[in-house]
Amino acid sequence: EAGVAQSPRYKIIEKRQSVAFWCNPISGHATLYWYQQILGQGPKLLIQFQNNGVVDDSQLPKDRFSAERLKGVDSTLKIQPAKLEDSAVYLCASSLDNSETQYFGPGTRLLVL
Amino acid sequence: AQSVTQLGSHVSVSEGALVLLRCNYSSSVPPYLFWYVQYPNQGLQLLLKYTTGATLVKGINGFEAEFKKSETSFHLTKPSAHMSDAAEYFCAVSESGSARQLTFGSGTQLTVLP
Repeated sequence: EAGVAQSPRYKIIEKRQSVAFWCNPISGHATLYWYQQILGQGPKLLIQFQNNGVVDDSQLPKDRFSAERLKGVDSTLKIQPAKLEDSAVYLCASSLDNSETQYFGPGTRLLVL
Repeated sequence: AQSVTQLGSHVSVSEGALVLLRCNYSSSVPPYLFWYVQYPNQGLQLLLKYTTGATLVKGINGFEAEFKKSETSFHLTKPSAHMSDAAEYFCAVSESGSARQLTFGSGTQLTVLP
């Protein structure tokens, strides 16, 4: 089966610009996660969706980050405006339901200059 | 709150030598424990997981890990390192409950020397 797809793979922007990342989970997976992985650290959960509803967004910096999963399949994560400290890899993961193993996409590497 | 500590951010072993990557966790309830591997410019791939039952868990690529409740540890081992094992390894914990969110350690970079 196809894995989790993410695009773009790489993005370079200047601070205060906006950027959006896209994720297509494994077919049939109800739960979708966005993680931020800063260089030298483990991934940190930003937001978790169950179908098209938000389960947990307590770690999402809501003043600049937003995410949606309107039809319960694909998801987008947006940053507006970006800061230098947002430079990181943004990983999307999905699972069959919220009690199952998470499968990760290849990530989007963001560099904010 | 759950947390994970990985001792040693960098580990080097010779090809054919034992690999031991250390992971300790804290959790207020019985945990689920995971090891993921990340190759350069790739996402995380699940190596193995412990949920319930047998405390010695075997994973892919010859890796295994043992859940030791008394030591709150879940160390990853492989009897004989291969060059292709060079990667970053992450230990993660999740607690029971409907969300079952993962908390990751900071990772251990494994270098395999020829």
